[in-house]
Amino acid sequence: QVQLVQSGAEVKKPGASVKVSCKASGYTFTGYFMHWVRQAPGQGLEWMGWINPNTGATNYVQKFQGWVTMTRDTSFRTGYLELSRLTSDDTAVYYCARGVYSYGWYRIDYWGQGTLVTVSS
Amino acid sequence: QSVLTQPPSVSAAPGQKVTISCSGSSSNIGSNYVSWYQQLPGTAPQLLIYDNDNRPSGIPDRFSGSKSGTSATLGITGLQTGDEADYYCGTWDSSLSAVVFGGGTKLTVL
Repeated sequence: QVQLVQSGAEVKKPGASVKVSCKASGYTFTGYFMHWVRQAPGQGLEWMGWINPNTGATNYVQKFQGWVTMTRDTSFRTGYLELSRLTSDDTAVYYCARGVYSYGWYRIDYWGQGTLVTVSS
Repeated sequence: QSVLTQPPSVSAAPGQKVTISCSGSSSNIGSNYVSWYQQLPGTAPQLLIYDNDNRPSGIPDRFSGSKSGTSATLGITGLQTGDEADYYCGTWDSSLSAVVFGGGTKLTVL
């Protein structure tokens, strides 16, 4: 069965960086996009972008360009989300999710369990 | 402010039916297929409906989806207390070149 297992919770100070991992199993890793979505406490879902695990090509929402990096390691079937220059506004649960191509876009079908990143001095 | 507009909350009694609306524009719902996600308290979202009106295996037929023009609707019949959750619509926005979500609707089963 499809599973996306993310790394554990992180606590970081403002200005620091964090790297979240997402290990995929149960499907061909390079056959599906990987989305990253975040959810601030008590708030809705915010799409950050995606990575094509086959080519490494990425597509970031403009507000995240320059300080968010999505990468992957096909040998380990794992995707990574790195955020730099963290502020308290980045405190959120970060989800990886699988994207399957359907009618013109890579809709999300499976989600990881989420990784809580807390930014606090 | 979310690109897609959902009511913040809806409520109904057990056994009743409820609908949740999702309003967008020609660049998102009007030209792309819609998905719906259920997020139970403290858990990750789960796919409920895809391609406007299709249910993944394992999702009961109490859940249904529809789309008309620039709006989509999620319907839930035979409400159960276990249906209490946040529900999100999502689709692709061709102008933004981004996945967009609604702000979420909290369902309370009274």
